[in-house]
Amino acid sequence: TQLLEQSPQFLSIQEGENLTVYCNSSSVFSSLQWYRQEPGEGPVLLVTVVTGGEVKKLKRLTFQFGDARKDSSLHITAAQPGDTGLYLCAGMMNYGGATNKLIFGTGTLLAVQP
Amino acid sequence: NAGVTQTPKFRVLKTGQSMTLLCAQDMNHEYMYWYRQDPGMGLRLIHYSVGEGTTAKGEVPDGYNVSRLKKQNFLLGLESAAPSQTSVYFCASSPSAYYGYTFGSGTRLTVV
Repeated sequence: TQLLEQSPQFLSIQEGENLTVYCNSSSVFSSLQWYRQEPGEGPVLLVTVVTGGEVKKLKRLTFQFGDARKDSSLHITAAQPGDTGLYLCAGMMNYGGATNKLIFGTGTLLAVQP
Repeated sequence: NAGVTQTPKFRVLKTGQSMTLLCAQDMNHEYMYWYRQDPGMGLRLIHYSVGEGTTAKGEVPDGYNVSRLKKQNFLLGLESAAPSQTSVYFCASSPSAYYGYTFGSGTRLTVV
């Protein structure tokens, strides 16, 4: 059972279009992180959201954490070819005591065509 | 700006062979992790460490062992490789359990 479902799995758009990627779960997370991964490289952290309802902006990228801390979205405005990559959401869960673990979603593969 | 360094980058093993993947970080992070990434499965946690001399099992630990003898190094061992262990392996580190992770660039392992 995948705790974090991302949609869509694949997205191919033209340069200049807007898009939204969704990350959904039935579990509550203490925080949620978004990563971008390029071919042949490891994921790179984009943002961490902690508070329910929180919105963070990173240039053309807008991240939102759901009020109940079970879901998140990533919106990209005026996508550029440099935005191409695999976008991963990851939720932080507490496994008892001081042990927290990051659970990754399956990812959204974005291709932005020039 | 080394961050997290993984060696080797590529490896082909025959079924039954053993090998060790090395992860080194220069950020003085307490926490280190080993993940595997497979198509359609996302990143799955194999083992992790919350400090020098400690290790713990993650989601998919079977067939793997780890050691953290030094704070900066986290080793992942395969004692008897199986084709099901063909994957891309990523090491990551973080300063605590609450912060984002810094990942290495991965090791692509093929077991034939």
